Amino acid sequence: AQSVTQLDSQVPVFEEAPVELRCNYSSSVSVYLFWYVQYPNQGLQLLLKYLSGSTLVESINGFEAEFNKSQTSFHLRKPSVHISDTAEYFCAVETSGSRLTFGEGTQLTVNP
Amino acid sequence: DAGVTQSPTHLIKTRGQHVTLRCSPISGHKSVSWYQQVLGQGPQFIFQYYEKEERGRGNFPDRFSARQFPNYSSELNVNALLLGDSALYLCASSPRGWDEQFFGPGTRLTVL
Repeated sequence: AQSVTQLDSQVPVFEEAPVELRCNYSSSVSVYLFWYVQYPNQGLQLLLKYLSGSTLVESINGFEAEFNKSQTSFHLRKPSVHISDTAEYFCAVETSGSRLTFGEGTQLTVNP
Repeated sequence: DAGVTQSPTHLIKTRGQHVTLRCSPISGHKSVSWYQQVLGQGPQFIFQYYEKEERGRGNFPDRFSARQFPNYSSELNVNALLLGDSALYLCASSPRGWDEQFFGPGTRLTVL
């Protein structure tokens, strides 16, 4: 069975600082990997995904994640964060069908 | 285009009662999945339906059931509510069941 571990439950940073949210997964088969963002009192929004091909994937708002098969990781990074990036971030893995297995989440708080 | 819609947005029930949650997928999407998100945790997969048939079921008791209608909308039913059923229930739709999922805003269920 697959599992996802998000190594940090909370990450506080200052505005314009770089940030990395760590995610490791466990699966014996090929996986699709996702990062979702959840703003307060809202559902999940897809931030970016890795299906195949280039191991570096980017979102339209400056986030990027790199799939590392040997380390079974899919860390999320942003070189300069904004106040508006404050949210809960979830890493997820999908193997068979479209069932997603999520990590416990990382609360990113950007302070002025 | 309208996104995934869920109703109601909030509801409060007492232990032992029954609840029905509703979800309307994005137009043209034939698959609906349900997830339970307990406060402070990542979403947990409950069910997936595609073309009105159950395609997958997570590790939830038989008190949880669901169905999908000919118009691809879906209901999640929970019988004999327990305090631990208090959670945000998320619905996600996808075109074919194996591609990107789009999440609704969720229904916040509180069991007293």
